[in-house]
Amino acid sequence: GAGVSQSPSNKVTEKGKDVELRCDPISGHTALYWYRQSLGQGLEFLIYFQGNSAPDKSGLPSDRFSAERTGGSVSTLTIQRTQQEDSAVYLCASSLSQGGIAGELFFGEGSRLTVL
Amino acid sequence: SQQGEEDPQALSIQEGENATMNCSYKTSINNLQWYRQNSGRGLVHLILIRSNEREKHSGRLRVTLDTSKKSSSLLITASRAADTASYFCATVRNTGGFKTIFGAGTRLFVKA
Repeated sequence: GAGVSQSPSNKVTEKGKDVELRCDPISGHTALYWYRQSLGQGLEFLIYFQGNSAPDKSGLPSDRFSAERTGGSVSTLTIQRTQQEDSAVYLCASSLSQGGIAGELFFGEGSRLTVL
Repeated sequence: SQQGEEDPQALSIQEGENATMNCSYKTSINNLQWYRQNSGRGLVHLILIRSNEREKHSGRLRVTLDTSKKSSSLLITASRAADTASYFCATVRNTGGFKTIFGAGTRLFVKA
């Protein structure tokens, strides 16, 4: 597609339920990022995929969070046993690095998660 | 912890004035980027400055980078009401891949 696509755009769930958030990056982009943004706050790094390398999971806040990227393209962020503090906008971005220089990130519109 | 710290946290100016936002970071970087966020959803890339560059211009935007002080500034000249948004700096480190970390952002409000 023309840009980064995220789904769902909004998700309301009950505490304790599992949720899956999907990201379709720009075709050909080798890097994919997940960030979390609480209301009025900055972007909290969650996880970073680069090509076929092992992902950098250092930002995942707990073992309830996991992510995978299948075939170097689509990524799914899974939150198990959701808690109210998981409520936030989850942003996905992709980029293409060339010549040893990291390129700009292209963001999706985010998935707003509300945990009741 | 986040790599970049912006200041001020919030800035309110009159249309036509210049707006300056600063960003400090902690470790060596590959490049530094500035982004804008209008509505609390997706961010839009504004400008990228490489670690071996000191200044870059794009339209009404001017970015400086001082790697010795580990700081950068974004200047928006002749601001407009439409510039009202949150602005974030993002530092990119070479960790085998390129890891991009964002600061907390500056909220700019331009009064018409």
